[in-house]
Amino acid sequence: AQSVTQLGSHVSVSEGALVLLRCNYSSSVPPYLFWYVQYPNQGLQLLLKYTTGATLVKGINGFEAEFKKSETSFHLTKPSAHMSDAAEYFCAVSATGFQKLVFGTGTRLLVSP
Amino acid sequence: EADIYQTPRYLVIGTGKKITLECSQTMGHDKMYWYQQDPGMELHLIHYSYGVNSTEKGDLSSESTVSRIRTEHFPLTLESARPSHTSQYLCASAVSRGNTEAFFGQGTRLTVV
Repeated sequence: AQSVTQLGSHVSVSEGALVLLRCNYSSSVPPYLFWYVQYPNQGLQLLLKYTTGATLVKGINGFEAEFKKSETSFHLTKPSAHMSDAAEYFCAVSATGFQKLVFGTGTRLLVSP
Repeated sequence: EADIYQTPRYLVIGTGKKITLECSQTMGHDKMYWYQQDPGMELHLIHYSYGVNSTEKGDLSSESTVSRIRTEHFPLTLESARPSHTSQYLCASAVSRGNTEAFFGQGTRLTVV
């Protein structure tokens, strides 16, 4: 079985500051890990994913995440926040072979000028 | 352009009415999913399908039902809507092998009054 914990339901940063959204997972098998972004009244858009290979993955809009097996973490970062980054971010896990996604509770990113 | 479509985007309906939420994808994906998204934004899997004539219940119990008669179509039906069904419903699809990404529709926001 898989589960995801996202620490912090809300994260506030200033424009230009570092963005760090935390995600820890639990999985009995090697996981696939994902970050999705949701803008108001929209569906989910994939930011990045880890399946196998390089543990540092780069995604769209300048985001990246690092898979750390020893810490069971997949934290999302962006060096410099932009106002357009304000949205809801979801971490998700699935078992190898991609059967179904299990989502965390989401983190709302607020960006102030 | 390959995509996944949900209709209607918004629906306000009275208690006791029968409703069907439509989901169609043009990507030829075998796997399709329905997620229910709470007002607090958490996503729960309520139904999934791995192909035609295949449907399974998800992790969250739901009074809705689904069907998969055609690969591209995965409608969700509520026989008698109640206020507790008020939520956002997100449809997603994915290929069976190789690609490990789920594509999401824009969602249907259902309000039962």
